[in-house]
Amino acid sequence: AQSVTQLGSHVSVSEGALVLLRCNYSSSVPPYLFWYVQYPNQGLQLLLKYTSAATLVKGINGFEAEFKKSETSFHLTKPSAHMSDAAEYFCAVTINFGNEKLTFGTGTRLTIIP
Amino acid sequence: DTGVSQDPRHKITKRGQNVTFRCDPISEHNRLYWYRQTLGQGPEFLTYFQNEAQLEKSRLLSDRFSAERPKGSFSTLEIQRTEQGDSAMYLCASSILTGTPADTQYFGPGTRLTVL
Repeated sequence: AQSVTQLGSHVSVSEGALVLLRCNYSSSVPPYLFWYVQYPNQGLQLLLKYTSAATLVKGINGFEAEFKKSETSFHLTKPSAHMSDAAEYFCAVTINFGNEKLTFGTGTRLTIIP
Repeated sequence: DTGVSQDPRHKITKRGQNVTFRCDPISEHNRLYWYRQTLGQGPEFLTYFQNEAQLEKSRLLSDRFSAERPKGSFSTLEIQRTEQGDSAMYLCASSILTGTPADTQYFGPGTRLTVL
């Protein structure tokens, strides 16, 4: 069975600083990986996804993630944090080509310090 | 594109009552998914439909839970004889089969259920 582990349930960074949210996966077959963001009282919004086309994936709002098979990682980064980035971030994995079922991590709450 | 909508947004009920939630997917999306999210956790898969066929159900979906998608458009999730442990956010998502890897699931805002 596939799974993801998000290290750090809470992360705080200063406005303008680097954002790094960690995600490690476990899968017996090549996975497809996703990052979603959840703002209060809103649904999950896709930031980016890895589908094996390229190991460095660029997403919306300046976020990107790099797939590293040797480290079984898919960490999310953004060079300069903005106040509007404060939200909950979820890493997710599927092994199905058609993405019939996503398995989510427990989430990381990102706080931006002015 | 109006997005995935869910109704109601909030539901408070007493233990033992039945509740029903509705999800309207993005138009023309042939796949629809239900997830449950409890406080401090990520969403957990419950079930999914392709058109009107329910193709997979999680072990989390006890026999008190039933989901339908009768005409391949909107879906309902019913919980019978609710228990306090059913208190959670119930999320709906939809996607369209594209034939490319890992079709994106688009999520609705969720229905928050509180069982007293």
